[in-house]
Amino acid sequence: DAGVTQSPTHLIKTRGQHVTLRCSPISGHKSVSWYQQVLGQGPQFIFQYYEKEERGRGNFPDRFSARQFPNYSSELNVNALLLGDSALYLCASSLDAYSSDTQYFGPGTRLTVL
Amino acid sequence: GENVEQHPSTLSVQEGDSAVIKCTYSDSASNYFPWYKQELGKRPQLIIDIRSNVGEKKDQRIAVTLNKTAKHFSLHITETQPEDSAVYFCAASIIGGGGADGLTFGKGTHLIIQP
Repeated sequence: DAGVTQSPTHLIKTRGQHVTLRCSPISGHKSVSWYQQVLGQGPQFIFQYYEKEERGRGNFPDRFSARQFPNYSSELNVNALLLGDSALYLCASSLDAYSSDTQYFGPGTRLTVL
Repeated sequence: GENVEQHPSTLSVQEGDSAVIKCTYSDSASNYFPWYKQELGKRPQLIIDIRSNVGEKKDQRIAVTLNKTAKHFSLHITETQPEDSAVYFCAASIIGGGGADGLTFGKGTHLIIQP
């Protein structure tokens, strides 16, 4: 029984570059949320997607975007990377988007911006 | 938006003793309160959650209490064991309201179990 999977595990980029992170939810889950976790802090909500539509957005700049595919997997894109974007990016899956409850997290992608 | 405060930031207890972590939230509309445990380098794992129609929930050595009037909730771990050492996060959200603002997390409590 596969849980939430994310790729890649680690990524190193330089300032100004673009990055794409990927997430596959638990089988049967239709909603994916993205969080940013800076070292020493709790995760911070970026986006929630359900049935390929954005259902919620946190307080992040337009450099951050995402999409969800028909198989419910998702991509998070970050343009014009800044040093402050260095963080663990977590994907969480849940059954639907009508509730934010019972979110199951993936292992995360550790992004380092140099 | 919602704001969640979590205390203490670090908690050291002797093995076998109890540990209590407290959180307060600001949005009275919040009605779902999960707790996550995150070991170093690993994903946050849900350990227990409570909804606002319940005042207390228990699962073996772990319990959570909720005081809606005071807008605070607490995690209680009894008979602590070395494997309980981790960072614990509380969170709050609104479910069933049609919106999707995600979970708002506290800053975490580093729980250290001393042998």
